[in-house]
Amino acid sequence: DIVMTQSPDSLAVSLGERATINCKSSQSVLYSSNNKNYLAWYQQKPGQPPKLLIYWASTRESGVPDRFSGSGSGTDFTLTISSLQAEDVAVYYCQQYYNTPFTFGPGTKVDIK
Amino acid sequence: QLQLQESGPGLVKPSETLSLTCTVSGGSISSSSYYWGWIRQPPGKGLEWIGSIYYSGSTYYNPSLKSRVTISVDTSKNQFSLKLSSVTAADTAVYYCARDLGGYYNSHSIAGGFDYWGQGTLVTVSS
Repeated sequence: DIVMTQSPDSLAVSLGERATINCKSSQSVLYSSNNKNYLAWYQQKPGQPPKLLIYWASTRESGVPDRFSGSGSGTDFTLTISSLQAEDVAVYYCQQYYNTPFTFGPGTKVDIK
Repeated sequence: QLQLQESGPGLVKPSETLSLTCTVSGGSISSSSYYWGWIRQPPGKGLEWIGSIYYSGSTYYNPSLKSRVTISVDTSKNQFSLKLSSVTAADTAVYYCARDLGGYYNSHSIAGGFDYWGQGTLVTVSS
């Protein structure tokens, strides 16, 4: 199985400031034949299902605000919230779909400082 | 707007079989572009993919659960279902159904991950 790790476990950021979440996979999720990273990011608020934010590591899902961006390749990835808003308080998960079983990171909790 | 809704018992006894159904509305489960998946989340914990199914019946399962899991599809009802046998307290979780964008199965897929999710249903395993 591909093991996904995330750092930090939690972070508190002031409103309007940048939040950065890191995700690392135990093996590369870059598929050489199409040069795509099989990595997605989700946001989960309490009592709600996860919401897809980013796929192919950097493609924003339709309707997701452009303050959310994804970057990275191979085994190291980052989700950046450029200017944190109150509604961004949530747990964020990365997920690889390069191989089955699909696996998720343990999550990073984002709060307001 | 696509909607998914899980249904089934909220309480299952140990050693019995957990059965859930996901009803898809606002779109066809027979779309050639998508798979349909089950993901679970124990209370206060992270997400675990259980498995995914194509409308043709082709399935992919998490090996950690494969011996106990069956996912099936009923295209006439626009539903897919999950059965998990020999449950224990460790199977207590919120169970979600979701649309799988198929990124893994098709190298030409335009997207990946799970985009539409049901609200989830808590299944407690207890006597």
